[in-house]
Amino acid sequence: AQSVAQPEDQVNVAEGNPLTVKCTYSVSGNPYLFWYVQYPNRGLQFLLKYITGDNLVKGSYGFEAEFNKSQTSFHLKKPSALVSDSALYFCAVREYTNAGKSTFGDGTTLTVKP
Amino acid sequence: SAVISQKPSRDICQRGTSLTIQCQVDSQVTMMFWYRQQPGQSLTLIATANQGSEATYESGFVIDKFPISRPNLTFSTLTVSNMSPEDSSIYLCSVEAGGDGYTFGSGTRLTVV
Repeated sequence: AQSVAQPEDQVNVAEGNPLTVKCTYSVSGNPYLFWYVQYPNRGLQFLLKYITGDNLVKGSYGFEAEFNKSQTSFHLKKPSALVSDSALYFCAVREYTNAGKSTFGDGTTLTVKP
Repeated sequence: SAVISQKPSRDICQRGTSLTIQCQVDSQVTMMFWYRQQPGQSLTLIATANQGSEATYESGFVIDKFPISRPNLTFSTLTVSNMSPEDSSIYLCSVEAGGDGYTFGSGTRLTVV
């Protein structure tokens, strides 16, 4: 079975400060890991993914995520937050053999204050 | 990446009626996925729709309530049948290309009154 946890319902940061949105996962095999963003009244958008290779993955809008196998984590980061980054963020995981069936976390609401 | 056109974008329906949601993809895909999302909450997979075979439903979802059609590799429909207020939600279709992330439709916001 696969699962993902986002331990924080809400993350608040000041504009210009670094941000981290946490995600931990559980799979029985090798994981595919994803981050998605949902802006208010808009659909879900793919941000970035980890399949294999470098542990630091770079994605859209200046976001990056670090895969840590020993800690089974895939935290989303950005060096300098923007007010426009305020949105709902979802982490998702699937086993590489479990074609198409991703499990989503409960989501973390990021609020960036000016 | 694929582009998905989903409609309707929103609807308000009477309880006991049915609503069919359509998704059109601009490329051929093997699997299409239907999700439900309560506003501000996580996504729950309803079913996986493969062309040429019956859809595969997740625990808690049944074909009589959520019949799915997949007539070709670019199109799918989800029907929400005999609706009740508990069915009020956002319904999303999505596709996945190989190991890449999902592409989602814009969603259908359903309100049952």
